[in-house]
Amino acid sequence: GAVVSQHPSWVICKSGTSVKIECRSLDFQATTMFWYRQFPKQSLMLMATSNEGSKATYEQGVEKDKFLINHASLTLSTLTVTSAHPEDSSFYICSARPGRGDEKLFFGSGTQLSVL
Amino acid sequence: QKEVEQNSGPLSVPEGAIASLNCTYSDRGSQSFFWYRQYSGKSPELIMFIYSNGDKEDGRFTAQLNKASQYVSLLIRDSQPSDSATYLCAVSYNQGGKLIFGQGTELSVKP
Repeated sequence: GAVVSQHPSWVICKSGTSVKIECRSLDFQATTMFWYRQFPKQSLMLMATSNEGSKATYEQGVEKDKFLINHASLTLSTLTVTSAHPEDSSFYICSARPGRGDEKLFFGSGTQLSVL
Repeated sequence: QKEVEQNSGPLSVPEGAIASLNCTYSDRGSQSFFWYRQYSGKSPELIMFIYSNGDKEDGRFTAQLNKASQYVSLLIRDSQPSDSATYLCAVSYNQGGKLIFGQGTELSVKP
């Protein structure tokens, strides 16, 4: 399968600080990447669709000014959690499709964010 | 609101038995269906995908799709303790579109 790399794997930060998470497609180009969030014992909730060279599309209820997404190249998307608060503590996972016509979605290893 | 429904479980089966996981979806226009396995603290891993009605087999795994009933299932034959995980059903409603996930079914295979 296609390889999606995500960094960091975990991060602990103080309330009010910002955290950047990187997602890279290692062996394919991804014009679109998807960012999910998962709380303990719950399913994946789509936060936004990251589009290379254009603005991200956010799902209803997701604050675009709080969760900044940048997709500057065909292999890199970043999610920045701005002014993080304890309620933002969650498992953030990025994903991408390897190519046109291939509907399979591959996930990065995820980032566990803990905000103190 | 497009929905994907799964029983949360836990589903417990003895080692060597067949585990049957079920999923229903709300939108008849759904096109692509996926099963992911997620171990605790890890990200989801794709194990099966199916696009057409019927059965699709891959090793010990069989995916079954019935679009008329809006139902997709995953059978795991000869279940092993290492199969113990949460299984997520995901549905795509259009080509290249986002995946909507069910809440996942926790499977426990007892030695």
